[in-house]
Amino acid sequence: SQQGEEDPQALSIQEGENATMNCSYKTSINNLQWYRQNSGRGLVHLILIRSNEREKHSGRLRVTLDTSKKSSSLLITASRAADTASYFCATEDTGFQKLVFGTGTRLLVSP
Amino acid sequence: NAGVMQNPRHLVRRRGQEARLRCSPMKGHSHVYWYRQLPEEGLKFMVYLQKENIIDESGMPKERFSAEFPKEGPSILRIQQVVRGDSAAYFCASSPPGTGTGTYEQYFGPGTRLTVT
Repeated sequence: SQQGEEDPQALSIQEGENATMNCSYKTSINNLQWYRQNSGRGLVHLILIRSNEREKHSGRLRVTLDTSKKSSSLLITASRAADTASYFCATEDTGFQKLVFGTGTRLLVSP
Repeated sequence: NAGVMQNPRHLVRRRGQEARLRCSPMKGHSHVYWYRQLPEEGLKFMVYLQKENIIDESGMPKERFSAEFPKEGPSILRIQQVVRGDSAAYFCASSPPGTGTGTYEQYFGPGTRLTVT
């Protein structure tokens, strides 16, 4: 069964606006990762946050992790049309190697 | 430094035929993972392999599906007697030696899109 649930399922914004996506999960994790997938393409790794970290930045990306609420958020600031893609969170459960993916948020950024 | 390579990129098979999907991990990587993605869904783990060993196949269907990662050559995901429900995108990912310490990144290939007619 899916571990993560992303919210919202779809998000439509204008260029320059910020986009926030949320992810909830169910079990204890070693880390949580965010990936981007352009339509019909493979996955691109965006950022990894360890279970003992609360916030991480990478360029226009900001990820937070709240292990007490079993949730994470991905913020994309000053969005661009090129950010249009599906975004997935994935958790690595404690003691396991596999990634468990959420259902994804489809982001549309209009010029 | 080439990334994870998968071939073919697109594969069409008739019901009952066999499908063979290949994955070459990144140079220096010894851990391979296979995931399946149905339309409009997230990826679902199938199997985790190291050279000549299946480490975790908890996501593999019990019948018709098999995977290997030989000492030489790419990893192969094999689907026998394909059915329409096998139509999906199959992604391979790899990670470097030392994976297992709890923090690592998986690098994904472009995927193979299997269509069963």
